Amino acid sequence: GDSVTQMEGPVTLSEEAFLTINCTYTATGYPSLFWYVQYPGEGLQLLLKATKADDKGSNKGFEATYRKETTSFHLEKGSVQVSDSAVYFCALIFSGTYKYIFGTGTRLKVLA
Amino acid sequence: DAGVIQSPRHEVTEMGQEVTLRCKPISGHNSLFWYRQTMMRGLELLIYFNNNVPIDDSGMPEDRFSAKMPNASFSTLKIQPSEPRDSAVYFCASSGTGFGDTQYFGPGTRLTVL
Repeated sequence: GDSVTQMEGPVTLSEEAFLTINCTYTATGYPSLFWYVQYPGEGLQLLLKATKADDKGSNKGFEATYRKETTSFHLEKGSVQVSDSAVYFCALIFSGTYKYIFGTGTRLKVLA
Repeated sequence: DAGVIQSPRHEVTEMGQEVTLRCKPISGHNSLFWYRQTMMRGLELLIYFNNNVPIDDSGMPEDRFSAKMPNASFSTLKIQPSEPRDSAVYFCASSGTGFGDTQYFGPGTRLTVL
């Protein structure tokens, strides 16, 4: 079945370090791909998305590129801040459907 | 713009009591979702409404759970009777069309059943 796999956390980095959080998916069709972020005590909020192959989503210094050939949507940021500490969820959804398939989430801790 | 509003933010109750969680979606959105988040099971979709009509309630764990959406601006999730294993964070989310669309999450209700 369709699924999303994320790297296990927590990921602990020092401020200004480079971030990569891996996400791969298994899908029978061509979904849209999303990264959501959950800050402590809050709900999920959209970070970025990409709707077709080779699209790059970007927001707040974060980027992810929809790679159909490797079925991946890895999240990257060049220089993390303490305020980026949160849980990051990779997700997919098919056009015309309502049900997201979420990964298990990756907790990021950024130390000053 | 106000986002999705949920109340209460925290609820502590005793086993066997009735619990009602409330949600006000973003104005103009016609799709509403209830999720449950636990460490063990992650995020689970409980029920999906489109235009106030329940479309998919296959994620509702059992008959103790019920959800209603009497109008476009209000939804409730009720647990009766509550059990300790219902302890979780419950999120409400809304989206414009529901289909392949960004979902906007509320801040959640943290439920503790003693």
